[in-house]
Amino acid sequence: DSGVTQTPKHLITATGQRVTLRCSPRSGDLSVYWYQQSLDQGLQFLIQYYNGEERAKGNILERFSAQQFPDLHSELNLSSLELGDSALYFCASSPDSGGSYNEQFFGPGTRLTVL
Amino acid sequence: GQNIDQPTEMTATEGAIVQINCTYQTSGFNGLFWYQQHAGEAPTFLSYNVLDGLEEKGRFSSFLSRSKGYSYLLLKELQMKDSASYLCAVRDGGNYGQNFVFGPGTRLSVLP
Repeated sequence: DSGVTQTPKHLITATGQRVTLRCSPRSGDLSVYWYQQSLDQGLQFLIQYYNGEERAKGNILERFSAQQFPDLHSELNLSSLELGDSALYFCASSPDSGGSYNEQFFGPGTRLTVL
Repeated sequence: GQNIDQPTEMTATEGAIVQINCTYQTSGFNGLFWYQQHAGEAPTFLSYNVLDGLEEKGRFSSFLSRSKGYSYLLLKELQMKDSASYLCAVRDGGNYGQNFVFGPGTRLSVLP
């Protein structure tokens, strides 16, 4: 158990809908990272937040947005869902923002299925 | 562009040694990571290299050559539980924020 929690574990929805994925980082960690993992794309970095502030952006679609709240939990919002958005979404956390700390701790993931 | 290459699949025998290679071409470099991922589970951190050379950690070692854009993960005394995917990832960023690029992963099967 990494100490990172994600809810829900599974989510099934229809095309065109909007969903929110939630992540609570390990106690004391200030950075949260979101990743998408699909069979054909591998693990893709989406976005990083540090202490409520966006710090880095990867391959995140405009239909997706994220935020980190004062209690440090984070939410990933996915809208106008398409079949291709079906994937495992992982959240990870680390104590700081930059290169001085190297290990990220991954949550168990949310499996999103878009029908 | 950003590109990381790894072999798709490898097979080895229990007790043997296996080397998983990773080559990368990225716009920036601030460290290379190896993760292990069992099917349907979250990735777990194995190793980190930022300077050239070998980092050893128990049965696992990782090597980096920045001039060649090359790394490998060496697994010794293979066990059945080492059957998993191994992901190579490059970090591009500094102290402000971190951007990660992951390779496609190498699926390792350890046979008895």
